[in-house]
Amino acid sequence: ETGVTQTPRHLVMGMTNKKSLKCEQHLGHNAMYWYKQSAKKPLELMFVYSLEERVENNSVPSRFSPECPNSSHLFLHLHTLQPEDSALYLCASSQDLGLAGITDTQYFGPGTRLTVL
Amino acid sequence: AQSVTQLDSQVPVFEEAPVELRCNYSSSVSVYLFWYVQYPNQGLQLLLKYLSGSTLVKGINGFEAEFNKSQTSFHLRKPSVHISDTAEYFCAVSKQGYSTLTFGKGTMLLVSP
Repeated sequence: ETGVTQTPRHLVMGMTNKKSLKCEQHLGHNAMYWYKQSAKKPLELMFVYSLEERVENNSVPSRFSPECPNSSHLFLHLHTLQPEDSALYLCASSQDLGLAGITDTQYFGPGTRLTVL
Repeated sequence: AQSVTQLDSQVPVFEEAPVELRCNYSSSVSVYLFWYVQYPNQGLQLLLKYLSGSTLVKGINGFEAEFNKSQTSFHLRKPSVHISDTAEYFCAVSKQGYSTLTFGKGTMLLVSP
């Protein structure tokens, strides 16, 4: 496997279910990101991790819970979601956060298409 | 904070015709600019980026973009499109020194024979 992979690619869940999205990067990067892509809206940054520490949380509801056990893996745990949470969830990684005065290109996975019934 | 405006939600064009996808940004600080492409059922792929230097940036698949600081624009162009260029194109901006991106709403490029 190369690049950024995401599983599952499609997920249908009820509002009372608990599920998890998985992201894995094979690029040796130190920063990872979760984005939400809804129809007709810009991509929304949800969470940013650097060296397994969360550095940004953009006012995301607590029904979304991220986990970064190591620099190669990122999870998004889902519970008691709402139908409006249906969207494409994209994971991305970059070499670092770019805090050294340069910007590191983000590489994206194919996404998980989530449908909440 | 930064913001990105992509005025055209959809751009239809015939194969082999030129195309320009417009992007304007707003920021109180210096920024880096990016164009990403998303093919159906896939993630985003970087087309090109402007960090510094020459304002004309060349990317993959024959695309190029020009950074215009006075007009706060970063329009994407291709002189001759192919059917395979049909995809959604996203303009994005980041503060200089940070990797966090702010995206526009995207422009769907529809290339027909």
